Amino acid sequence: GAVVSQHPSRVICKSGTSVKIECRSLDFQATTMFWYRQFPKQSLMLMATSNEGSKATYEQGVEKDKFLINHASLTLSTLTVTSAHPEDSSFYICSASSLGTGTYEQYFGPGTRLTVT
Amino acid sequence: DAKTTQPPSMDCAEGRAANLPCNHSTISGNEYVYWYRQIHSQGPQYIIHGLKNNETNEMASLIITEDRKSSTLILPHATLRDTAVYYCIVSIQGAQKLVFGQGTRLTINP
Repeated sequence: GAVVSQHPSRVICKSGTSVKIECRSLDFQATTMFWYRQFPKQSLMLMATSNEGSKATYEQGVEKDKFLINHASLTLSTLTVTSAHPEDSSFYICSASSLGTGTYEQYFGPGTRLTVT
Repeated sequence: DAKTTQPPSMDCAEGRAANLPCNHSTISGNEYVYWYRQIHSQGPQYIIHGLKNNETNEMASLIITEDRKSSTLILPHATLRDTAVYYCIVSIQGAQKLVFGQGTRLTINP
């Protein structure tokens, strides 16, 4: 299957700082990328959907000014958590999909564990 | 809200077939049934999907009832590495967002 990578895999930052997480599709062009958040012992919750070259669509309750998403190319999307607080500590997972893979299945990255101290 | 209902947990003996049920009684005619699994602290992994016919791949089989209101994912010979949370999701095909429910925590016992 198609491969999606995320960087970094783990990050610890201080409260009030910003953190950028990268999501890359390694062997296909991703027309659409999705960002999810997962708290301990909970399911994945979709944060936003981004299409290459256009603004992201955020889910209800997700602050677009706090979680900045950039999908500047067909292989890269970034999520920046601005002015991070301890309650933003979570497991952030991206996924990518494209008809170019043969189907529209979403392929997920390995996740980024963010800890805000 | 997720449109599927799954048992919260299941156990299966190693080497036996694991049958994971999913109810999706409100599924629409153009919605597919997708199965993903998530091993602890990893991103979800695609397993299989189907519309109305049964499907099989190298990982699993998907059995969808004739009325499409329920389905069963079958792992034919479960191994310890199949221990994970399994998510059943209904969605329109075509880069649509996936709504994850709580899934079934499958534990494979030696």
